[in-house]
Amino acid sequence: DAGVIQSPRHEVTEMGQEVTLRCKPISGHNSLFWYRQTMMRGLELLIYFNNNVPIDDSGMPEDRFSAKMPNASFSTLKIQPSEPRDSAVYFCASSWGQGARTQYFGPGTRLTVL
Amino acid sequence: SQQGEEDPQALSIQEGENATMNCSYKTSINNLQWYRQNSGRGLVHLILIRSNEREKHSGRLRVTLDTSKKSSSLLITASRAADTASYFCATGGATNKLIFGTGTLLAVQP
Repeated sequence: DAGVIQSPRHEVTEMGQEVTLRCKPISGHNSLFWYRQTMMRGLELLIYFNNNVPIDDSGMPEDRFSAKMPNASFSTLKIQPSEPRDSAVYFCASSWGQGARTQYFGPGTRLTVL
Repeated sequence: SQQGEEDPQALSIQEGENATMNCSYKTSINNLQWYRQNSGRGLVHLILIRSNEREKHSGRLRVTLDTSKKSSSLLITASRAADTASYFCATGGATNKLIFGTGTLLAVQP
């Protein structure tokens, strides 16, 4: 299996621009998680989906962030408009089954907002 | 909010020595997991210990769990330079999500 796939791997954009991050989970996994990692705040869970349905979005920082999972093999995290404080590494992870299972992480997208 | 707090924040040892990292958490859990993150990479799962287990081994890794103290430790024996990475504990409760700790940065000097 190819593992969790994220694109792009690096994104540099200017403040105010829209940013879309993409994730393809491992085939057969039914939960998908979006995380943000910074030096200051560590690894934060932004949102997670189960069977394509958003279950917990309490970590989404504000209305500028939105996430979708239109089908079992694709999810997006969108930031509009982007701000310099959004600069971070964004990880997608997936897992199989119910409960707190092992999560498989993608390589991450390093976002820099100038 | 992060539930797991790890100690120490950073650890530097010589190759061949053992490395011990500790994790404390605040609420009841179903399981506790340890992950490794190499610089610039995603996290990789190492081991999972259930709340009714006290100790688990996997290769050079040994994990203990004390639910009465709400703490866990990860021991890496006979460390190698390739073990240099950040190590995170993550607690799992009744839902699908994990809460990650702050991490321990381990440097193994050759």
